[in-house]
Amino acid sequence: EVQLVQSGAEVKKPGESLKISCKGSGYSFTTYWIGWVRQMPGKGLEWMGIIYPGDSDTRYSPSFQGQVTISADKSINTAYLEWSSLTASDTAMYYCANTRGAARPFDNWGQGTLVTVSS
Amino acid sequence: SYVLTQPPSVSVAPGKTASIPCAGYNIGSKSVHWYQQKPGQAPVLVIFYDSDRPSGIPERFSGSNSANTATLTISRVEAGDEADYYCQAWDSSSDHYAAFGGGTQLTVL
Repeated sequence: EVQLVQSGAEVKKPGESLKISCKGSGYSFTTYWIGWVRQMPGKGLEWMGIIYPGDSDTRYSPSFQGQVTISADKSINTAYLEWSSLTASDTAMYYCANTRGAARPFDNWGQGTLVTVSS
Repeated sequence: SYVLTQPPSVSVAPGKTASIPCAGYNIGSKSVHWYQQKPGQAPVLVIFYDSDRPSGIPERFSGSNSANTATLTISRVEAGDEADYYCQAWDSSSDHYAAFGGGTQLTVL
């Protein structure tokens, strides 16, 4: 069974750093892209970026370029989404999802990680 | 970036047919995928490559795509179909850039 298991909910203060994770199992981790999707409270899905764990090729949405860092450690089948300095507007649910690549669907989704940034 | 436009809401009576459009420039030349998201849950793929259904998705779910509009159709709507639905495609002008529609809330009356 394919699974993407994300790290638990986080509560942070503005200015703090954060790295959340997404661990894949049940499939060949290095041959699927992993994408990250933001969902702000009561809002829709926003694509943030994507990484190919096989060679760490990474692409960012222009809206998120420079705001977050996407990485992966293929030795432990885990992808990451990282912030160096959080703001209140980063408060959202974050999902990871896997895909074979461009033109293909996001086949499987993680359960989501809720990030709350508040002073 | 590629823009996909969906109506914010669609309402339908039980047993009737719901149609959810997704508009985008020349979307008919792209592969469109649809996701269902129920409150408090992660999205689930319900239609891929315009009209294919993953295993486990009822035949009542179907899709089409032509010109500038893709459409998700749900026949014989049930109360359990009440959810948010999102279309998704890839921006072919920018390799590996994905786009989601704004989402449509389906209400079963």
